[in-house]
Amino acid sequence: GENVEQHPSTLSVQEGDSAVIKCTYSDSASNYFPWYKQELGKGPQLIIDIRSNVGEKKDQRIAVTLNKTAKHFSLHITETQPEDSAVYFCAASTLSGQNFVFGPGTRLSVLP
Amino acid sequence: GEEVAQTPKHLVRGEGQKAKLYCAPIKGHSYVFWYQQVLKNEFKFLISFQNENVFDETGMPKERFSAKCLPNSPCSLEIQATKLEDSAVYFCASSQTGSGYGYTFGSGTRLTVV
Repeated sequence: GENVEQHPSTLSVQEGDSAVIKCTYSDSASNYFPWYKQELGKGPQLIIDIRSNVGEKKDQRIAVTLNKTAKHFSLHITETQPEDSAVYFCAASTLSGQNFVFGPGTRLSVLP
Repeated sequence: GEEVAQTPKHLVRGEGQKAKLYCAPIKGHSYVFWYQQVLKNEFKFLISFQNENVFDETGMPKERFSAKCLPNSPCSLEIQATKLEDSAVYFCASSQTGSGYGYTFGSGTRLTVV
């Protein structure tokens, strides 16, 4: 079955700097890769996603890149703000309707 | 509605008692997923439904966990004879078509077994 690894487990950056979180997956059949942000006491919120037919996707300060050959995908947050502080999860899935396999999460702290 | 509604927000049960959690998916969403998030943040998939039919139950502990999604009712997840290790936050999520779209998660139910 699918296995998703995520690094780093914790990340501290100064406000205004960039943050990068990396994930790897094992199942070459995976074709959809969402990223979720979870704030304390809340459910995960989808912030960006990418499908396997695309190498990069950007939405304002957030971007995701995918390397299908290496089975890597990464989240990039530029100009970080204190409200970006949260736990971020990557995930992978294969066929439609299938459950996601989540990475273990990265706790991002943006220091003012 | 436009959010996944989970009730209750908090639930405390003595070991061996029953726990029942509810989830109302977003109207029009055909897929419902249940996940268990333990203290280390890890998400464990439990079960999914396509409308009222079980779609995937590979993550469900067979002995004490059961779930239903009946027409015109919130979906439910029931744990019989709770154990200490069942303490976790249980998230429900719904998806419009399941065809590669991200889920919308509810805010979760925190179950504490004492």
